[in-house]
Amino acid sequence: GQNIDQPTEMTATEGAIVQINCTYQTSGFNGLFWYQQHAGEAPTFLSYNVLDGLEEKGRFSSFLSRSKGYSYLLLKELQMKDSASYLCAVKNSNYQLIWGAGTKLIIKP
Amino acid sequence: DGGITQSPKYLFRKEGQNVTLSCEQNLNHDAMYWYRQDPGQGLRLIYYSQIVNDFQKGDIAEGYSVSREKKESFPLTVTSAQKNPTAFYLCASKPGREIQPQHFGDGTRLSIL
Repeated sequence: GQNIDQPTEMTATEGAIVQINCTYQTSGFNGLFWYQQHAGEAPTFLSYNVLDGLEEKGRFSSFLSRSKGYSYLLLKELQMKDSASYLCAVKNSNYQLIWGAGTKLIIKP
Repeated sequence: DGGITQSPKYLFRKEGQNVTLSCEQNLNHDAMYWYRQDPGQGLRLIYYSQIVNDFQKGDIAEGYSVSREKKESFPLTVTSAQKNPTAFYLCASKPGREIQPQHFGDGTRLSIL
């Protein structure tokens, strides 16, 4: 089967750095997406990785290792508004998106 | 502003009743999707459409139906055959090119009375 694994919940402190991991086992690979979703709202696109390495976008960075089936989302200088769920999704060889259950990130002052 | 509009935000269904969730987009996107989101689970694909007048079943299509008569609109009907319809339903769209991310509406929360 195909699956995406992410931690269910993480807690971090305002101003700190947090890394959210995502491991995947899919039939082929055509890219990995990270989305942010505040409770009761729409997921919003954060980043896309298709080649190995680090993609940086302001306070957010995303890393991919295709050989290890592994990605992480790095959030720096955490703000209270970063409290949300972070969804990892992989596009497989059929261009279907397989979604992880999401990681709920709680930011404490 | 361009975007995806889902309505209503909250919907209640009686046993044995069909209900239709609306999804409209003015982004000129070719592809549209319906997902179901349950607590502790990833998004699950119900139906998708790559082009007008064509749609395909996703992983959990049983008890649901869709139509795609216009590019802008992709309504989802939750039929009485769907025995556990209580969930958060998300509609998404994207341009035709495969590498583009999906854009989501704000969702409809469906509950059973």
